[in-house]
Amino acid sequence: DAGVTQSPTHLIKTRGQQVTLRCSPKSGHDTVSWYQQALGQGPQFIFQYYEEEERQRGNFPDRFSGHQFPNYSSELNVNALLLGDSALYLCASSPWPGDYGYTFGSGTRLTVV
Amino acid sequence: GENVEQHPSTLSVQEGDSAVIKCTYSDSASNYFPWYKQELGKRPQLIIDIRSNVGEKKDQRIAVTLNKTAKHFSLHITETQPEDSAVYFCAASSPLRRGSTLGRLYFGRGTQLTVWP
Repeated sequence: DAGVTQSPTHLIKTRGQQVTLRCSPKSGHDTVSWYQQALGQGPQFIFQYYEEEERQRGNFPDRFSGHQFPNYSSELNVNALLLGDSALYLCASSPWPGDYGYTFGSGTRLTVV
Repeated sequence: GENVEQHPSTLSVQEGDSAVIKCTYSDSASNYFPWYKQELGKRPQLIIDIRSNVGEKKDQRIAVTLNKTAKHFSLHITETQPEDSAVYFCAASSPLRRGSTLGRLYFGRGTQLTVWP
């Protein structure tokens, strides 16, 4: 049984560019949450998707947006990249309502230069 | 929102000794407290969790205690081994609204545990 898969594993972008990160949840999970983990910090909640809708959002600007597809997979989009967006982006899937039973993906390491 | 504080930020112990990591939280409505282990370059992995209606939970060498009155919870690792070396994160789940089951995880800043052979 595949766990949570994220792609790509590493990415280098230039300031001002846009990026899309992808996540496929664990089989049987229908809720996807995205977290940003800066170096030396704990993960910070970005937003959560369920039934193709954003259900809750953390303290992140509108440059961060997402989408969930009918097969429960999800995308995280970041526009107008800043140097401070460099981080490990983690996707976590779980059964609804989305805080218990988290399974994390291995993350996408985004570097903005 | 919830605020989770974690101490210490680094912890070094000799193999076989015990390690204790402590966390405090601010929202009395928080009701779920997981602990994650993250090895370098790898995903956070759940190692143990506790619900707010339980005071202590054990799983082999790992235990978690919860004091709801004081709003703190702790991770205890006994008979530490070099493979326990990693960053450990505590987290708390706080309901979005009173009576709501909808929540999110708030993480502490992590503890780098090093176990020396």
